[in-house]
Amino acid sequence: NAGVTQTPKFRVLKTGQSMTLLCAQDMNHEYMYWYRQDPGMGLRLIHYSVGEGTTAKGEVPDGYNVSRLKKQNFLLGLESAAPSQTSVYFCASSYSLGGSAENTEAFFGQGTRLTVV
Amino acid sequence: AQSVTQPDIHITVSEGASLELRCNYSYGATPYLFWYVQSPGQGLQLLLKYFSGDTLVQGIKGFEAEFKRSQSSFNLRKPSVHWSDAAEYFCAVARRDDKIIFGKGTRLHILP
Repeated sequence: NAGVTQTPKFRVLKTGQSMTLLCAQDMNHEYMYWYRQDPGMGLRLIHYSVGEGTTAKGEVPDGYNVSRLKKQNFLLGLESAAPSQTSVYFCASSYSLGGSAENTEAFFGQGTRLTVV
Repeated sequence: AQSVTQPDIHITVSEGASLELRCNYSYGATPYLFWYVQSPGQGLQLLLKYFSGDTLVQGIKGFEAEFKRSQSSFNLRKPSVHWSDAAEYFCAVARRDDKIIFGKGTRLHILP
């Protein structure tokens, strides 16, 4: 059982370049999330999705776009990377909160370390 | 809007000493509450969670947390820390059918 898988694990981009981070989960979770983690800032929610074909903005959505064309995949795109987007990005997934309490937690990927130079 | 506050950015305790990490939340109703741990260079692992019922929740690795509605708190405790507990700890809050919001984290340092 792979859980939540993020690709790539590391990436260096030049300012202005674009890229897509892929998150895949095999737990049939409805909810998927993208967070960024910066020193002293904790985890900040970028975008999230409550089901296939739906997306919503989180706390820090500017400069990012997302898509959820398939239930198991959640893509995070940077159209024109900026140095301020240097961060560690985490994807997570969960069942819909409000269901069985035993099943309700967020499972995290191992992270993608992105550097924009 | 929901929010979660972890007042302590860094905490240092001696190995074998007791530990309490603070978490306060802002919410209109009883939320779902979580504590996660992140070891250096790793993803996040769930320690414990609270939804309803008994306000003292037991988790993995000997951790427990107590939900106090009157104080809007969900503090994490451990009676005796081990060097391997050095990590960053995140409190998180969510409500039914909504997103999960994380605090800024508390980094735990262990003195030998």
